[in-house]
Amino acid sequence: AQKVTQAQTEISVVEKEDVTLDCVYETRDTTYYLFWYKQPPSGELVFLIRRNSFDEQNEISGRYSWNFQKSTSSFNFTITASQVVDSAVYFCALSDATSSSNTGKLIFGQGTTLQVKP
Amino acid sequence: KAGVTQTPRYLIKTRGQQVTLSCSPISGHRSVSWYQQTPGQGLQFLFEYFSETQRNKGNFPGRFSGRQFSNSRSEMNVSTLELGDSALYLCASSPGTSVTGELFFGEGSRLTVL
Repeated sequence: AQKVTQAQTEISVVEKEDVTLDCVYETRDTTYYLFWYKQPPSGELVFLIRRNSFDEQNEISGRYSWNFQKSTSSFNFTITASQVVDSAVYFCALSDATSSSNTGKLIFGQGTTLQVKP
Repeated sequence: KAGVTQTPRYLIKTRGQQVTLSCSPISGHRSVSWYQQTPGQGLQFLFEYFSETQRNKGNFPGRFSGRQFSNSRSEMNVSTLELGDSALYLCASSPGTSVTGELFFGEGSRLTVL
């Protein structure tokens, strides 16, 4: 069965600190996709990144970076120099979309609530 | 480009009633998925509709149903409401023809069952 674990329920940091959100996943599929979404207080989930299982290259986008390691089944997310606007709930998710008939189903972790204090 | 629109945003019902939630996807998107978000269970997949057909279903009782119209708008219905159905119901749309699975979410409909 597929599973995503975000062990950190809540994290609180002071502005400008770096913070890493952990994500560990389980799947038997060889082809899969991993995602990070951000959920601000307004409720909608905002897409941040997608990685496929064949691409272990780390990615950086501004203050955000992601570390994907298949050997440890982890897909961690780091925010550098955090800001108050980064305060939100962050979800890691897994998709086994190996066929085009299964594009809408994501397995989400429980989420990590990040609070960035000024 | 307009985003995913969900209505109503908030609603209160009592046990035993039924409720219908609506979702208008991004123009051109043919897939609509529904998720239930609760503090205890987190985000759970309900079902996905593509071109008016349900093509994927999560592990929820038959009280939860949905449909999709020819313009890709979707509705979900919950009958015989229970207290545990109180949740944020999120709708997500995508083109539905790619395995990459990026979903675009609405702001949700927050249902409270008293």
